[in-house]
Amino acid sequence: AQSVSQHNHHVILSEAASLELGCNYSYGGTVNLFWYVQYPGQHLQLLLKYFSGDPLVKGIKGFEAEFIKSKFSFNLRKPSVQWSDTAEYFCAVIPNSGYSTLTFGKGTMLLVSP
Amino acid sequence: EAQVTQNPRYLITVTGKKLTVTCSQNMNHEYMSWYRQDPGLGLRQIYYSMNVEVTDKGDVPEGYKVSRKEKRNFPLILESPSPNQTSLYFCASSSQDRGNGYTFGSGTRLTVV
Repeated sequence: AQSVSQHNHHVILSEAASLELGCNYSYGGTVNLFWYVQYPGQHLQLLLKYFSGDPLVKGIKGFEAEFIKSKFSFNLRKPSVQWSDTAEYFCAVIPNSGYSTLTFGKGTMLLVSP
Repeated sequence: EAQVTQNPRYLITVTGKKLTVTCSQNMNHEYMSWYRQDPGLGLRQIYYSMNVEVTDKGDVPEGYKVSRKEKRNFPLILESPSPNQTSLYFCASSSQDRGNGYTFGSGTRLTVV
């Protein structure tokens, strides 16, 4: 079965700082990868996804992520964070095969101070 | 508007009193799933359904039941709730290949006292 590991449980940044959230997965085959964001009191929303092709994917709100197959990583980045980016971020993986389900990491809580 | 609708949003109940959390999607998705979210544990899958009348256990199925009699509905049933089932629950749906990820409901915050 697949698993996902997120490096940091909490991250605190000042506005305009650059962000990188680590995500590693374990699975021997081809996978689809996702980052979800959960703003306080809200449900999960899709930030970006990777299926195939260009390993650098761009999502909403200026976020991007890079898939590095050799490292089994899918790190999330943003050059300059804003206070409104305060949220919890979840990395998720699903094997690209028949009957498989989406597995989430434990989440990283990002707090951006104004 | 394409969405997953959960009800209720908030629920406080007592130990042992059966309850049902409803989930409905309007996207004609084959795949539906229930997760619970707990601090420090992320989202853990309770049950999922590949299609009508097809359900299977996720990672934490104990104490829960589901049914999938219609494509759009996937209720979560707690026959005898206990305090350790106090949590935030999310329903999600996806197309069969799940390639576009999941669409999540707004969540149900359940407290069992």
